[in-house]
Amino acid sequence: KNEVEQSPQNLTAQEGEFITINCSYSVGISALHWLQQHPGGGIVSLFMLSSGKKKHGRLIATINIQEKHSSLHITASHPRDSAVYICAVKSPGEYGNKLVFGAGTILRVKS
Amino acid sequence: EPEVTQTPSHQVTQMGQEVILRCVPISNHLYFYWYRQILGQKVEFLVSFYNNEISEKSEIFDDQFSVERPDGSNFTLKIRSTKLEDSAMYFCASSGTLQETQYFGPGTRLLVL
Repeated sequence: KNEVEQSPQNLTAQEGEFITINCSYSVGISALHWLQQHPGGGIVSLFMLSSGKKKHGRLIATINIQEKHSSLHITASHPRDSAVYICAVKSPGEYGNKLVFGAGTILRVKS
Repeated sequence: EPEVTQTPSHQVTQMGQEVILRCVPISNHLYFYWYRQILGQKVEFLVSFYNNEISEKSEIFDDQFSVERPDGSNFTLKIRSTKLEDSAMYFCASSGTLQETQYFGPGTRLLVL
């Protein structure tokens, strides 16, 4: 069973700061998702990656398969980035498509 | 942009009652999922569904739960006899293939009294 740990649990930043959220997992995976959950509860998929690095706007996600670790970076943070950021991993295998979720990182960006 | 939709957005029910949560996945997707999130806790996998059958289910998904794709567009989760501990946000998700990202619906907030 894969254990997914995120750090920090809570993060408060000033607008404009560079933010890093970390995720580590215990067992090999086929892919890792970074998700964003807003106060209303809805979940939006930000990235799915299985190696290397992906960038979308001010968001960058990296993964190190050997170290079983991923990071989500937000450059030039803005109050609208305030949300819960969740890491979720997918195990390999024909039917292994379920996601195992971390507890989330609550991010608050102050203006 | 296509999106996953869920109805209702909120449901309040009495313990022991049956509830059906509805989802309309993205139209050309083949893989469907239900997840739940109890308030303040992690999101948890319930079940995955492909080719009109369950492909994987968690320990949570016991005999009180069932899923169905009654027509070409809807995907439903039924809880036969709700318990207080079933109170949670239920998310439907879909993906085109096993390798593609999963797209989540907005969720149904279920409250069992």
